[in-house]
Amino acid sequence: GAVVSQHPSRVICKSGTSVKIECRSLDFQATTMFWYRQFPKQSLMLMATSNEGSKATYEQGVEKDKFLINHASLTLSTLTVTSAHPEDSSFYICSANQGQGQETQYFGPGTRLLVL
Amino acid sequence: SQELEQSPQSLIVQEGKNLTINCTSSKTLYGLYWYKQKYGEGLIFLMMLQKGGEEKSHEKITAKLDEKKQQSSLHITASQPSHAGIYLCGASTGGGADGLTFGKGTHLIIQP
Repeated sequence: GAVVSQHPSRVICKSGTSVKIECRSLDFQATTMFWYRQFPKQSLMLMATSNEGSKATYEQGVEKDKFLINHASLTLSTLTVTSAHPEDSSFYICSANQGQGQETQYFGPGTRLLVL
Repeated sequence: SQELEQSPQSLIVQEGKNLTINCTSSKTLYGLYWYKQKYGEGLIFLMMLQKGGEEKSHEKITAKLDEKKQQSSLHITASQPSHAGIYLCGASTGGGADGLTFGKGTHLIIQP
């Protein structure tokens, strides 16, 4: 299957700082990538859909000014958590599909964010 | 909004036994996905079902989607320790450009 990577795998930051998470499709081009968040012992919740070359689409209740998404190329989407607070501590996972009728979503390994 | 109910929430099975995990949707599905996750890690794609009545198998895992496309089951035959993990069903109600809605997961433990 297709490979999606994320960087960093873990990050610890102080409250009030910003953190950037990268999501890369390694062996295919992804016009659409998705960002999810998973709190402990809960399922994944879709945060936003990242479209290459256009603005991201955010799910209800997700603050677009807090979670900045940039999809500058067909292989890279970034999620920036701005002015992070302890309640933003979570497991952030991205996914991508190959498009062109290939609808399987392949997930990255996730990024664990801890805000102190 | 789309809701997915998974059952059971957790399952302890003796190695070598068969097991079934269910996923029920409140709406007709466009696509139903099964993933496996180890705690704190990413998701491993298992199977995707799109057609009513469809059934797919890979090694000892079989997934089915009912004719109405609202219910799916994942069956593992002769379970092994490597099958342990969290199984998640995810669904899309549109095409591949939609993000997925996930069930809460089934935590599978295999007892030797």
